[in-house]
Amino acid sequence: DGGITQSPKYLFRKEGQNVTLSCEQNLNHDAMYWYRQDPGQGLRLIYYSQIVNDFQKGDIAEGYSVSREKKESFPLTVTSAQKNPTAFYLCASSPDPNQPQHFGDGTRLSIL
Amino acid sequence: GEDVEQSLFLSVREGDSSVINCTYTDSSSTYLYWYKQEPGAGLQLLTYIFSNMDMKQDQRLTVLLNKKDKHLSLRIADTQTGDSAIYFCAHDSGGYQKVTFGTGTKLQVIP
Repeated sequence: DGGITQSPKYLFRKEGQNVTLSCEQNLNHDAMYWYRQDPGQGLRLIYYSQIVNDFQKGDIAEGYSVSREKKESFPLTVTSAQKNPTAFYLCASSPDPNQPQHFGDGTRLSIL
Repeated sequence: GEDVEQSLFLSVREGDSSVINCTYTDSSSTYLYWYKQEPGAGLQLLTYIFSNMDMKQDQRLTVLLNKKDKHLSLRIADTQTGDSAIYFCAHDSGGYQKVTFGTGTKLQVIP
């Protein structure tokens, strides 16, 4: 079945450690997105990519990095510079930037 | 700046209709969306409406848009326990499909 796969479902980070969240889609979508969700808040855009080898900062990019080497993959690295990384991270994709976004099931990141 | 507001909580009895409301400030939207999020899961696109439409109906779901008042609503007819979830209103702001989300409304369906 076509869809967006995020892994792992749960992730724990130690102080000073970088961690990478995986997002893979087999929908042949050009655009991909990363959001952060905190309790009681809406989603906030971290990074987005409209096409392979291109990505742009969203509203809260500090402490995060991404790459888009393949159309189907858009990994997110939470660096040690992100001081409050505990959140639910959601990846999304759309056929192009003007189409509705479809979401993966999310990764919950916690601090040890 | 852009802002999308929703009430935090709604409780209804099974079989009744639910109406979830949303107000927004950005008048340049092309699409307005409703997403559903079940516990521990991602967001599921329920429906969307073009900004030049007033209403869209899809089975039990009815979306109403009052563009003048910047008010969007989602009506769920014959609400079921499986409809219990958080519902997010969202809209795009043109260009690169930047989407602004509301804070979500938690719908509780009482059997």
